[in-house]
Amino acid sequence: GAVVSQHPSRVICKSGTSVKIECRSLDFQATTMFWYRQFPKQSLMLMATSNEGSKATYEQGVEKDKFLINHASLTLSTLTVTSAHPEDSSFYICSAREQGNSPLHFGNGTRLTVT
Amino acid sequence: GESVGLHLPTLSVQEGDNSIINCAYSNSASDYFIWYKQESGKGPQFIIDIRSNMDKRQGQRVTVLLNKTVKHLSLQIAATQPGDSAVYFCAERGYNQGGKLIFGQGTELSVKP
Repeated sequence: GAVVSQHPSRVICKSGTSVKIECRSLDFQATTMFWYRQFPKQSLMLMATSNEGSKATYEQGVEKDKFLINHASLTLSTLTVTSAHPEDSSFYICSAREQGNSPLHFGNGTRLTVT
Repeated sequence: GESVGLHLPTLSVQEGDNSIINCAYSNSASDYFIWYKQESGKGPQFIIDIRSNMDKRQGQRVTVLLNKTVKHLSLQIAATQPGDSAVYFCAERGYNQGGKLIFGQGTELSVKP
């Protein structure tokens, strides 16, 4: 089945630094990828939609200059949390679909802790 | 029984019993619905889906019911097992919304042996 891989699975960084999270579709080409954020005991909140070769579309309230998304190829999207602060500590999850109305496949998430 | 915690409602059932998890969705224009299971520290795992032109769909040990009149979705798990313990989310996809999924609140299912 379709596999989405996220890296790293866990990262700890100091306040003020930037962190890059990678999302790869391993056995299919993902025209669209979605990035979610999840706080403990809460639901997944959609941050942005990433289409290969074009700018990401951010949900209301998500700062595009803080959460930089790049979808440079059909198998890779990256999320960079710039100038991270402790309140950015969260579980970041990506998902990808091949095309059209095909099902979304989710990665296993990245636990970001900002100290 | 069912209780509402600080953020996530919980449902506790005995092993072997049937579980029913409910979800209210928000967008009457949504045309596709999915139930996901999320274990601690992992991403969501697909369980079953249903399109808006259906009101019931069955899988292996799971059934999804859709009531568009009241915008309600339910997931029934037959003969619940300890391995079913997880958080369950419903998700909806709006028609012509670029395929993005919006997740519901979630319910934590705890199965007692």
